[in-house]
Amino acid sequence: QSVLTQPPSVSAAPGQKVTISCSGSSSNIGNNYVSWYQQLPGTAPKLLIYDDNKRPSGIPDRFSGSKSGTSATLGITGLQTGDEADYYCGTWDSSLSAGVFGGGTKLTVL
Amino acid sequence: QVQLVQSGAEVKKPGASVKVSCKASGYTFTGYYIHWVRQAPGQGLEWMGWINPHSGGTNYAQKFQGRVTLTRDTSISTAYMDLSRLRSDDTAVYYCARAEYSTSSPDYWGQGTLVTVSS
Repeated sequence: QSVLTQPPSVSAAPGQKVTISCSGSSSNIGNNYVSWYQQLPGTAPKLLIYDDNKRPSGIPDRFSGSKSGTSATLGITGLQTGDEADYYCGTWDSSLSAGVFGGGTKLTVL
Repeated sequence: QVQLVQSGAEVKKPGASVKVSCKASGYTFTGYYIHWVRQAPGQGLEWMGWINPHSGGTNYAQKFQGRVTLTRDTSISTAYMDLSRLRSDDTAVYYCARAEYSTSSPDYWGQGTLVTVSS
């Protein structure tokens, strides 16, 4: 199973807000930066958030990231049908000396 | 613009090896690590390892130690992932991705290469 824990699915109506959680430990989230990725069906992951809460150029401010202790959260406001995708958190695990990801969360915009 | 272009889909028999290439453009190839991540059908992302294109240094996930080899050719800005002793559960899409540091999460990703292992 995945080192980082995410809920398998979340859903919300268009225009609403949703949050996706990512839980880990002191060897990963607790002491390393977290990134979030969006993966549309049949495509490669796309970086949404890096260094816990920074957005790459071109990512709208509807997407936000936060971290507290050994958990991180992705927030998406003003949901659009185009936001329907799988979302993954990722970070480095200092004990494993390896990259680790969450199992992914499928977002449904009802 | 930054691009990572991977080689095409492969079909291999169990026990064989596969080599996937990842050609970088739009940035200084030796200035960023290349990570390899795979995704089995309907499953999540799994990190396999990284290579430092400048030094050639590598770091592999324990799960793949002894079966995976990451190399690079700086003259053509291309990284390679070689996976040996293939099994049916190695069937997956394999991605290369660029990262600024060995411990940082990748920013740009290749389009993915489907490797199917079947007798």
